[in-house]
Amino acid sequence: DGGITQSPKYLFRKEGQNVTLSCEQNLNHDAMYWYRQDPGQGLRLIYYSQIVNDFQKGDIAEGYSVSREKKESFPLTVTSAQKNPTAFYLCASSYGGGEETQYFGPGTRLLVL
Amino acid sequence: RKEVEQDPGPFNVPEGATVAFNCTYSNSASQSFFWYRQDCRKEPKLLMSVYSSGNEDGRFTAQLNRASQYISLLIRDSKLSDSATYLCVVNMRGYSSASKIIFGSGTRLSIRP
Repeated sequence: DGGITQSPKYLFRKEGQNVTLSCEQNLNHDAMYWYRQDPGQGLRLIYYSQIVNDFQKGDIAEGYSVSREKKESFPLTVTSAQKNPTAFYLCASSYGGGEETQYFGPGTRLLVL
Repeated sequence: RKEVEQDPGPFNVPEGATVAFNCTYSNSASQSFFWYRQDCRKEPKLLMSVYSSGNEDGRFTAQLNRASQYISLLIRDSKLSDSATYLCVVNMRGYSSASKIIFGSGTRLSIRP
């Protein structure tokens, strides 16, 4: 089955700790995206990548980092610099190149202890 | 002014009713438009794309009005299972030709028996 997966489903972070959220897709999509969603709010773009080994900051990149070493994978690290990390994190992918219909993974809920 | 605006609702309507949502966008150069559905604590899922001539998928009809810069979603004969948050998504193409996907904050719909 083709799809986009995220792990873990729930993640707990201690103060001062970096944590990494996984996102994998086997849809052969070139573009991948990370969004953050806070309760009752829309999605805000953190980072996106249109192609392997290249990525761009979105609207709220501060306190986050990403890598895109493989087409299938786009992990997101929430660093200790992100002071309010509690949120629902969603990864998405699309074919790119103008085809922008995005397909989402099931999300990761990050909670701060 | 937000780039994409939606009435947050909630819309509370009886089963079998017809309900309509609007979504306005600020950038007249916007290229493509979508409606996504998001269930509570789940990822957004594509409901339908919105075409210039309007399009229908079963009980759902989407319309685009470029002159007034809004899109709409009409749900006929609403079912209990239609209860969800409906996200308006706009692909805005900037002067550099790079696409920018903007998500609205969503409209909550609750169908009552």
